[in-house]
This record gives sequence, C-alpha cells and structure tokens, in this order.
Amino acid sequence: SAVISQKPSRDICQRGTSLTIQCQVDSQVTMMFWYRQQPGQSLTLIATANQGSEATYESGFVIDKFPISRPNLTFSTLTVSNMSPEDSSIYLCSVESTGGGSYGYTFGSGTRLTVV
Amino acid sequence: AQSVTQLDSQVPVFEEAPVELRCNYSSSVSVYLFWYVQYPNQGLQLLLKYLSGSTLVKGINGFEAEFNKSQTSFHLRKPSVHISDTAEYFCAVSPGGATNKLIFGTGTLLAVQP
Repeated sequence: SAVISQKPSRDICQRGTSLTIQCQVDSQVTMMFWYRQQPGQSLTLIATANQGSEATYESGFVIDKFPISRPNLTFSTLTVSNMSPEDSSIYLCSVESTGGGSYGYTFGSGTRLTVV
Repeated sequence: AQSVTQLDSQVPVFEEAPVELRCNYSSSVSVYLFWYVQYPNQGLQLLLKYLSGSTLVKGINGFEAEFNKSQTSFHLRKPSVHISDTAEYFCAVSPGGATNKLIFGTGTLLAVQP
C-alpha cells in the first residue's frame, strides 16, 4: 500500500493566521482525501482532491476556509485559513490504494493543530 | 446518504475477556467496510476490511469481523483482549463507485482493565 508523508506533524498557531499542511505520497494516486478530527471526535471528510481539477468539498466546508492544491499525482496541500480556536483539530490526508490486487485507504500520520 | 452507527461510545472490559464492538451502516447497495484502530496520540491503523467473498474477515492483532448484509452490520470481535488493545476503534464504509470516500462512525473507546 501507499506510504504517506504528512507535515508538519504538529503546530501551534495564532488566531487569524493560516497554516498549510503538505501530503506527499510515494506513488501516483488519483484521489486524495482530507479529513478533520476534532478533539474526542471521529473523522469528518473535508474534501476530495483530484489532480487537475477543483477539489470537491463536503457540506459545511468551503474553499475560502480550506483551500486545497493538487498539482500532481503524488502531492497535495490543505490550507487552514484565518484560523480560530475552533479549528484546533487533527488534520489527516488519505489516499485510496489499489495496488497489488488489494484495495483500501492509507492515512498520513496527521497534523495536530492548536490555535491560540 | 451513507451513514455509519457505532452505538457504544465506550466499552469497558476486563483483560482476557471477549469483546464485541458494534457497527451498523445504512446502504442499499454494495459497500466496502473497514475497521481502523487509533492508539492514543497516534494515527489510524487498518485492522481489517471486507470487500467481497467470505463474510468472516480476520485482521491483525487477533481481531475479526463478520459482515451481515441482511442486518447491515459489521461487528468487530476479539475472543480475549489485552491491556494493549485499549484504543479508539472506528468503523468506516466506502460507498464505492465514483465517490470512493470513506465515511466514519463516531468511534468506540475500548477500555481494557486489569
């Protein structure tokens, strides 16, 4: 299965600023997914990013707040804009893996964001 | 829309006892089903998955799950738990087709006590 490198692993940011999270995959993948895990909560899908097209956002998430780039088949970034304490969460990227006759989803190790 | 229900937010159990974590999903079409484990302050690790074929799926760390289409369930079981199994367990479903996103349940905290 694919291996994902996600960074930064954690950050503490001032409210009103923005943070860009990067995900690098060791193989080419069609779709990348960005999730948010709020403290003590489950994972909620933010958006799906396909290379060469606009990301598709889930209900409750907008591009102005969470702009996503997908410049090629191995890389994506998620920006958390104009941050407030409510944005304190773990952000994870994920890819769909279909290699080797298997199917599944691989996750990055996550970015633990604290907004103060 | 697809949804996943994990009715138990927390399951306390004594070490070496059996455990079952429940998961139900809503779907009228074929889906792929997954169980992930998240240890404290760590990322997500795949425990097991059901794609097709045998309804009894065996995963890592002695866990297994049974897919029941008529009851739209995918309960996770382990015959004898260890302290090290203490973690958050998430059930997830992928609707498949063009929208291959994973939808997660709310999670169940398995708290193993000595």
